[in-house]
Amino acid sequence: GQQVMQIPQYQHVQEGEDFTTYCNSSTTLSNIQWYKQRPGGHPVFLIQLVKSGEVKKQKRLTFQFGEAKKNSSLHITATQTTDVGTYFCALNDYKLSFGAGTTVTVRA
Amino acid sequence: EAQVTQNPRYLITVTGKKLTVTCSQNMNHEYMSWYRQDPGLGLRQIYYSMNVEVTDKGDVPEGYKVSRKEKRNFPLILESPSPNQTSLYFCASSLVGGRGEYEQYFGPGTRLTVT
Repeated sequence: GQQVMQIPQYQHVQEGEDFTTYCNSSTTLSNIQWYKQRPGGHPVFLIQLVKSGEVKKQKRLTFQFGEAKKNSSLHITATQTTDVGTYFCALNDYKLSFGAGTTVTVRA
Repeated sequence: EAQVTQNPRYLITVTGKKLTVTCSQNMNHEYMSWYRQDPGLGLRQIYYSMNVEVTDKGDVPEGYKVSRKEKRNFPLILESPSPNQTSLYFCASSLVGGRGEYEQYFGPGTRLTVT
């Protein structure tokens, strides 16, 4: 199936700083979903992007789908300790293809 | 409460001893799926089911079997477990529509160790 590559694998962030994680594909994606997994927990759906150039916001989280629908990004502003966890992007074509995830740790 | 349940949550077993991990959802979802999660590899799909009696292979189906006799249940069967199947397993479910338009709801996970 299609593969999505996610970078960086790890992100160490000072509390209050911003960071971005990226999801890339060599082929056009029909959609991209983002999930968050807290340490010891299970993935929880955050959002889905479908349209070219789409931007969606959830409080301090901004999700973007590239114009060519080959990449996506998640930007978090003013990072808090509650943002700790692993963020996955995924192509949901029923054969769900997850990126390897970005694991975020926060320094207080 | 809408949820996906898995049992057992933790299991230590020996090579070759058949085991079943159960998964059940109470949301009347058509779609169900199994994933395994390994460090550095993210989540990889094992099998999925679009509805009762309809199952298909994911990316890593070798060594696993599934069945979908009822809409709410989707058990994962390891006929002869091997140490390389030591992993964290998640079951998930969702509605069906278009091409994957719906979010997937994940169970709490089953940590399996095969010695």
